Parts: sequence; C-alpha cells; structure tokens
Amino acid sequence: EPEVTQTPSHQVTQMGQEVILRCVPISNHLYFYWYRQILGQKVEFLVSFYNNEISEKSEIFDDQFSVERPDGSNFTLKIRSTKLEDSAMYFCASSEELQGINQPQHFGDGTRLSIL
Amino acid sequence: DAKTTQPNSMESNEEEPVHLPCNHSTISGTDYIHWYRQLPSQGPEYVIHGLTSNVNNRMASLAIAEDRKSSTLILHRATLRDAAVYYCILRDAQGGSEKLVFGKGTKLTVNP
Repeated sequence: EPEVTQTPSHQVTQMGQEVILRCVPISNHLYFYWYRQILGQKVEFLVSFYNNEISEKSEIFDDQFSVERPDGSNFTLKIRSTKLEDSAMYFCASSEELQGINQPQHFGDGTRLSIL
Repeated sequence: DAKTTQPNSMESNEEEPVHLPCNHSTISGTDYIHWYRQLPSQGPEYVIHGLTSNVNNRMASLAIAEDRKSSTLILHRATLRDAAVYYCILRDAQGGSEKLVFGKGTKLTVNP
C-alpha cells in the first residue's frame, strides 16, 4: 500500500538555525498538509497546500514557517529561525482531490524535531 | 468546528469487541463523523467515516445514533495492535476547510 514518507526521522538543531523537514506524499495525491504534536499534547493543524499554493493555515503558521513543493514528489516545511517551543513531532499528510472533505488524510510517521 | 466528547481512556481484552463512544450533541446536518487512530510513535491513521447510516470496513464498524448526537466505533475483535489513541472528528462538508481538528481522543489499552 502506498505511504507518506518523511525524512529525517529525528532532527536536532540549535535554536535560531533554519531547518527543513521533508515529505514525499502519495504519488497521485493533490492535497498536502503539515501538522505538529508537542509531546503529550494534541495533534495541531499547521497548513494545507493545493495547486502550488497555501489553501489554509493556522495561527501557529507564522512568518517563520514556509512550505514548498520544489518538484513533483517532495513537499517541505521550512522553519527559518527555530525556537525552543518548535520542538515537536511534525507530521506530513496527503489526500486525493476527489470528493474533497471525505477523502482520508494519509499521514507519515513524523519527524521528531528537537531544538537545543 | 463542532465539538466532540470522548472518554479519556478505555481498556479491553484481546479478542473481545470494543465499543468506543463519541458524543457530538451540537453536530450540524452537513457534518461527517470521522475516526482516526494514532498508534504509539506513529502518525494518525484513518479508520472510518460516515454521515447517517452505519458503516463497515475492514478495520472497524461505525454505528451512528438516529439523532446523530452520538456515535460508536466498534472493533469487533481487539488485538494488541489496536492499542492506540482513537479520535472522533467532525468534518463539515460545506465548511470549505480541509483541516482535521484533533481532540485528546480515547486511549485504548488492550490486555493480552
């Protein structure tokens, strides 16, 4: 069964440094998402991306964050200047376009980001 | 987003059925009921969804109350691999939002 893959599985970065988290969504999917989960807390939506542009973003997704689909297979999340509070699991997800709202979102296993 | 209420935790024995409840008394007519689960150290995983009628798939069954103010996810024979946090999520078909709004969910423990 096709799956969403994320790399790296664990990223350790110094505060203030830039970090790029990478995702390869399922190949025929057209909607892409990033979520995060701070340890012990709920899974939180960050951003959705469709047709090469952001379709929705949360209050968390401020100017420090950006997303890009640099080629036909990758989807990236960049944090420009990391803060301690950015430490979390970051999940990428993708879904098909057909029937929109009721298409399941398929999640990767996440990248654990640790900010020192 | 309409709110859902789930028990914080439930426990089951292996090979027994599990009924995971969800209350959504403020559900609107265009809200679909979705269930996801999150196994330890993994991302969320879609389980099932429905609108009014009961639904079955290879993973589970979804029983929806006639007034739609509650629903129950049924695992017919729990296995150790079903130990996870289960999330009941409402998605508005007319809301235009693609995001999933996760609550705290129900942590299911399966005893051998």
